[in-house]
Amino acid sequence: TQLLEQSPQFLSIQEGENLTVYCNSSSVFSSLQWYRQEPGEGPVLLVTVVTGGEVKKLKRLTFQFGDARKDSSLHITAAQPGDTGLYLCAGRPYNFNKFYFGSGTKLNVKP
Amino acid sequence: EAGVTQFPSHSVIEKGQTVTLRCDPISGHDNLYWYRRVMGKEIKFLLHFVKESKQDESGMPNNRFLAERTGGTYSTLKVQPAELEDSGVYFCASSQTRTGEQFFGPGTRLTVL
Repeated sequence: TQLLEQSPQFLSIQEGENLTVYCNSSSVFSSLQWYRQEPGEGPVLLVTVVTGGEVKKLKRLTFQFGDARKDSSLHITAAQPGDTGLYLCAGRPYNFNKFYFGSGTKLNVKP
Repeated sequence: EAGVTQFPSHSVIEKGQTVTLRCDPISGHDNLYWYRRVMGKEIKFLLHFVKESKQDESGMPNNRFLAERTGGTYSTLKVQPAELEDSGVYFCASSQTRTGEQFFGPGTRLTVL
């Protein structure tokens, strides 16, 4: 059983479009992280959200942590080919010093 | 500052053989984690070291896997004997206790034939 469900699994869009990736769970997390991974490399941390309802922005990327701390979303505005990659969410349950990963969303932004 | 490094980048072995993966964390990072991603599945936690001590090894699949972190520096993950289902990408990550931010290595792709 997977703790975190990510959707969609695959997304192929044109440059300039907007998109949202979702990360959902029935469990509550003390914090949630979003990573981006490129082929042949390890995941690279984009952001950590720790407060229910928190919104963080990183240039064209907007991250939101759900009020109940069970879900999160990543919104990309005006996607660019450089945004292409695998996006992963990872949640840390309370009283655990480890993260559970979603299966990822593979994004392809076509020029 | 050097990032997390892993060796080898790829390993192809036959079922029943032994393989040892190595991870060099970022200097000064007390926390070291091993993760694994098998094909089509999510990245899964294997274990966590704090310095040389195993803090949490609840994710280790079975006793064919042995992880060590001698002197609290680099870590090795040995699989003996390897089985087909051990194939996947093994990631190592390290972090400072103060920040908790994990920095991942590039991974070792293990193929068991």
